[in-house]
Amino acid sequence: TQLLEQSPQFLSIQEGENLTVYCNSSSVFSSLQWYRQEPGEGPVLLVTVVTGGEVKKLKRLTFQFGDARKDSSLHITAAQPGDTGLYLCAGPQGNQFYFGTGTSLTVIP
Amino acid sequence: NAGVMQNPRHLVRRRGQEARLRCSPMKGHSHVYWYRQLPEEGLKFMVYLQKENIIDESGMPKERFSAEFPKEGPSILRIQQVVRGDSAAYFCASSQQGRRVNTEAFFGQGTRLTVV
Repeated sequence: TQLLEQSPQFLSIQEGENLTVYCNSSSVFSSLQWYRQEPGEGPVLLVTVVTGGEVKKLKRLTFQFGDARKDSSLHITAAQPGDTGLYLCAGPQGNQFYFGTGTSLTVIP
Repeated sequence: NAGVMQNPRHLVRRRGQEARLRCSPMKGHSHVYWYRQLPEEGLKFMVYLQKENIIDESGMPKERFSAEFPKEGPSILRIQQVVRGDSAAYFCASSQQGRRVNTEAFFGQGTRLTVV
């Protein structure tokens, strides 16, 4: 059983397009984090969202935490090839950080 | 990756040998987490340690795997008598706080273990 479900699993788009990836759970999280992982590297923390309904922007990336703190989304505007990577959401439950299965994004020049 | 250092980056072991993976957390961080990642899969939690204590090892196989985080020195993930199924990327993360709201974990670049 996966505590955090991410969709879509794979996404391939043209440079300049917009996209949204989702992270959903049936459990309430006190916070959710988004990471990006490039091939051969470790995940790099992008943002942490804490408050239900919170929206955070990081240049062309917009992160939203659901009102009920069970889900989150990441929207990328005008995607660039440098956005290519595996996007992971994660959140603490008990003694663990649970990670989603990830969305593998490819931006084609 | 904010200063979490893992070594070696790549490790090749023959079946039956031992693998020792090292992780030095960020300066000031006393919480360490180990994860395993198989190709095309997500990160799977293995163990959570604080200095000199194992807090949660629920994700670690009961046999052949062990972890420590001594008072001095790096955290070590040890795999004895490796088998081909142990081949994976092993990531270490560290945080300043434990499992609280706003806790942020920072990852190392991982150790890619290949068992031949």
